Amino acid sequence: DTGVSQNPRHKITKRGQNVTFRCDPISEHNRLYWYRQTLGQGPEFLTYFQNEAQLEKSRLLSDRFSAERPKGSFSTLEIQRTEQGDSAMYLCASSSHRGLGEDTEAFFGQGTRLTVV
Amino acid sequence: AQSVTQPDIHITVSEGASLELRCNYSYGATPYLFWYVQSPGQGLQLLLKYFSGDTLVQGIKGFEAEFKRSQSSFNLRKPSVHWSDAAEYFCAVGELWGSARQLTFGSGTQLTVLP
Repeated sequence: DTGVSQNPRHKITKRGQNVTFRCDPISEHNRLYWYRQTLGQGPEFLTYFQNEAQLEKSRLLSDRFSAERPKGSFSTLEIQRTEQGDSAMYLCASSSHRGLGEDTEAFFGQGTRLTVV
Repeated sequence: AQSVTQPDIHITVSEGASLELRCNYSYGATPYLFWYVQSPGQGLQLLLKYFSGDTLVQGIKGFEAEFKRSQSSFNLRKPSVHWSDAAEYFCAVGELWGSARQLTFGSGTQLTVLP
């Protein structure tokens, strides 16, 4: 396993277009997280999944954003009607939940850098 | 609400010199604290974490951090910096939702290493 994989690495889109990013977590990890990182800032939590269930969503996740993890494996993050303020690095992370204990550490992918022009 | 402050936006040190990166947090309960490093174009790599127990924690690449509850701090240290340590460093506090952990990050400290 090569770790968390995100595609594409870079995306340039025109304002108003829809974009979709993909994240493939580490294969045995049942939890998957999405974060957004703008220039000069730390990552901000967007949402997370346990298996296929989306359990938490940040207020940062407007109704233009939707995330899915249909089979509990890979996840997609779609942004509809993109705005210039959506320009950021979108990071995916995964971790493993073991019974009643806590998660293992979260492993991050290299991110997808979105530029909206 | 939890928050993390990294007071130094940019630090420059000479190779071989010691390093300390500051981190202050605000969190109502016992904090779960992390330091991550991010190289250009790369994702975040975990350097070390503190959950409980010994307040001095050792991490990878020769880094260590000390949890000081009285000062609400979790500063990262390295006795001798290498050129390959040049990167951006993020402190984070983890809030538990059940057993899932949402991370709140500071704004980062950019480290430059001079030859």
